[in-house]
Amino acid sequence: EAGVAQSPRYKIIEKRQSVAFWCNPISGHATLYWYQQILGQGPKLLIQFQNNGVVDDSQLPKDRFSAERLKGVDSTLKIQPAKLEDSAVYLCASSLDRGQIRPGQFFGPGTRLTVL
Amino acid sequence: AQSVTQLGSHVSVSEGALVLLRCNYSSSVPPYLFWYVQYPNQGLQLLLKYTSAATLVKGINGFEAEFKKSETSFHLTKPSAHMSDAAEYFCAMILYSGGGADGLTFGKGTHLIIQP
Repeated sequence: EAGVAQSPRYKIIEKRQSVAFWCNPISGHATLYWYQQILGQGPKLLIQFQNNGVVDDSQLPKDRFSAERLKGVDSTLKIQPAKLEDSAVYLCASSLDRGQIRPGQFFGPGTRLTVL
Repeated sequence: AQSVTQLGSHVSVSEGALVLLRCNYSSSVPPYLFWYVQYPNQGLQLLLKYTSAATLVKGINGFEAEFKKSETSFHLTKPSAHMSDAAEYFCAMILYSGGGADGLTFGKGTHLIIQP
């Protein structure tokens, strides 16, 4: 079974530029999550989708971050414009359904963003 | 507010010694608790999870954790450390409401160092 795919794996941009990340969840997984992991900290949830609807985006900085999951499968996360403090690893995760704890969330390898 | 606290940002043990990584949680409702491991430049891998069944949970790679409600703790242990256990370990929590599971709330992580 293929895991969660993310691209690109690494990205370096200048501040005030725009950047987008892509995530393809495990086939059949209804719930998709984006997390931000700043160096030295645990991941922080940015947004949670159930199919193509947003369940929770309370910690998403909406003035610069946006995310979509138009067809309920893959998702993109965009930052426009980027700031230095956005340097982090962006992790995508998916789970079978929000209503089930088992078997849990599966994580992709992440995209490491460096903002100069 | 819900939170996860990991005591000790770095833990160093000798190969063959007991591994003990501490995790305490705070939540208004009974939580589901997880331990994840992260190797350099890789995504998060689930070690084990507590979902209100047995309080002693066994996971992969010889790790186990015990849920203690009275102490609000979920410490991770392994009887004998191996060099391959060197990694970052994250304790995490989910609150499961009637509408389903929310995103994970992570601790800041503990870097496990294995001395030869």
